[in-house]
Amino acid sequence: NAGVTQTPKFQVLKTGQSMTLQCAQDMNHNSMYWYRQDPGMGLRLIYYSASEGTTDKGEVPDGYNVSRLKKQNFLLGLESAAPSQTSVYFCASSYGEETQYFGPGTRLLVL
Amino acid sequence: GESVGLHLPTLSVQEGDNSIINCAYSNSASDYFIWYKQESGKGPQFIIDIRSNMDKRQGQRVTVLLNKTVKHLSLQIAATQPGDSAVYFCADGGSNYKLTFGKGTLLTVNP
Repeated sequence: NAGVTQTPKFQVLKTGQSMTLQCAQDMNHNSMYWYRQDPGMGLRLIYYSASEGTTDKGEVPDGYNVSRLKKQNFLLGLESAAPSQTSVYFCASSYGEETQYFGPGTRLLVL
Repeated sequence: GESVGLHLPTLSVQEGDNSIINCAYSNSASDYFIWYKQESGKGPQFIIDIRSNMDKRQGQRVTVLLNKTVKHLSLQIAATQPGDSAVYFCADGGSNYKLTFGKGTLLTVNP
């Protein structure tokens, strides 16, 4: 089992560019999550998906969109990147409402 | 709002000593708590969890204690090793799929 995988590992964007962060899990988990981690801020939930085809906003959803078309994949989109979105992004998955398992992260720099 | 906090941002211990990392929470309705370990450049890794109907739970070299009266939990690591050096997060696994993370404690193990 690869667990939770994320692509890309690193990305540099210019302000206004768009991109999609990809997350995949092979644990047959129902729920998936996107977090951002900033220095001194801990992990903050951007969006989550309780099941395939459903998504809900987390604590910091502005400037992001998500897609959960397949159970094993959860995509995070930035339509028009801003420097404030420079962060490390983590995807996680869980079977239900409990323990979440995290991917290795995507480091994003917006210039 | 509700929050999960840590008493100390850093902890330095000698190899072989026991480590204790503390965490306070404010949501008295919380019923599930998780400890994660995050090594530099990696995603958070699940260590151990505990439900509110328990006071103590043990794993391999780790013990989590929960004191609901004062809304405090702690992570004890026995015979701390250099490989234990990392940031440790507690998280409040309340209902509705959302985890609230503390800012983390950096554990440094000195040889």
